[in-house]
Amino acid sequence: DQQVKQNSPSLSVQEGRISILNCDYTNSMFDYFLWYKKYPAEGPTFLISISSIKDKNEDGRFTVFLNKSAKHLSLHIVPSQPGDSAVYFCAASPDLTSGSRLTFGEGTQLTVNP
Amino acid sequence: NAGVTQTPKFRILKIGQSMTLQCTQDMNHNYMYWYRQDPGMGLKLIYYSVGAGITDKGEVPNGYNVSRSTTEDFPLRLELAAPSQTSVYFCASSSQAPQHFGDGTRLSIL
Repeated sequence: DQQVKQNSPSLSVQEGRISILNCDYTNSMFDYFLWYKKYPAEGPTFLISISSIKDKNEDGRFTVFLNKSAKHLSLHIVPSQPGDSAVYFCAASPDLTSGSRLTFGEGTQLTVNP
Repeated sequence: NAGVTQTPKFRILKIGQSMTLQCTQDMNHNYMYWYRQDPGMGLKLIYYSVGAGITDKGEVPNGYNVSRSTTEDFPLRLELAAPSQTSVYFCASSSQAPQHFGDGTRLSIL
């Protein structure tokens, strides 16, 4: 039972263009969503998050959009840079309180070509 | 600024051997977690701890044990290594979300 799903295993974009990574979830109890970025041989690092009371959160080149009715979120990277090439994981949690357990998607490998 | 430190980085085990994966954090976080990541898959929660002396099972706990005697340390023990436990193991800690991850231990069981 895959509660968080990233349907695209890979995505390739040109430098300077927009990258859009998608994530779908099935559990309506999820209330808090995060994106992590992972480089080879390193652990995941937190990128951006969004609470279900919002539909958009922006941090520099990164914007996360949440559509609760569709149980869908997306990460937009504008403009994309070669250093953004990494695996991106979507994660979800029932709440923001201490120690909330995260459920992860399978990840999407983003490649940004110079 | 160490954060979450995992040792070893790589290990090869024979079937039936045992080993302990070490994890320590210097951020005074109450919550600690162990995940495994198989190729093409997301991270699956093995065990977690909400504080010293308290541990609980995650999604895939079979074949593993944990202990939490101090706030800083959260070791993961494999008692009888099996090929299905070949994976990359990540330890994480948090006070509130988000969780902070170590760089992982790549474990092969042959």
